[in-house]
Amino acid sequence: GAVVSQHPSWVICKSGTSVKIECRSLDFQATTMFWYRQFPKQSLMLMATSNEGSKATYEQGVEKDKFLINHASLTLSTLTVTSAHPEDSSFYICSARDVPNSQSYEQYFGPGTRLTVT
Amino acid sequence: QKEVEQDPGPLSVPEGAIVSLNCTYSNSAFQYFMWYRQYSRKGPELLMYTYSSGNKEDGRFTAQVDKSSKYISLFIRDSQPSDSATYLCAMSSTSGTYKYIFGTGTRLKVLA
Repeated sequence: GAVVSQHPSWVICKSGTSVKIECRSLDFQATTMFWYRQFPKQSLMLMATSNEGSKATYEQGVEKDKFLINHASLTLSTLTVTSAHPEDSSFYICSARDVPNSQSYEQYFGPGTRLTVT
Repeated sequence: QKEVEQDPGPLSVPEGAIVSLNCTYSNSAFQYFMWYRQYSRKGPELLMYTYSSGNKEDGRFTAQVDKSSKYISLFIRDSQPSDSATYLCAMSSTSGTYKYIFGTGTRLKVLA
């Protein structure tokens, strides 16, 4: 149980275009999802916390107009990178917390999406 | 000062060695301590978690938390080449959104 999927696993886009990444909890409901970015040989940096039905909370230094997050249902959150540039090329990972056990600390991680902007 | 400090390595050990991985932290509100393993271009995989202080053992893995020193460790016994990966520590408090703060990760290579 507690599986999180991401789609696509790898995407290449041209500079200036937008790209959407999906994060789904497959066998549980998630009120809260988290989006992380990881540059090569670096750690996971939290970008934003996504709550179902409300606006996402962005970490300091993350441009909310550039990284649009939508958490429209208890099983789906999307991250849209708008007007992508080569410096946005990175590994994007989402995680989710289980609703019934809302006091639980545990986050379940997706497999990640590699974004390459040319 | 970063909230969580972790030596990035790389750390190379021979097969069968005992590996010791460590993190230090500064935020005394952290109560949950996790260790993740991450293979290249994959999502992190939870190995161990500990609540508050103490030791926890699972197979070849032992996690230790010393809250008085703000220091956590992961030991891997009888290391195998398949253990070669990046190991990340992560920490969370018990308030708010339970967001995780990750260490930089230690790259481990176990030589056959």
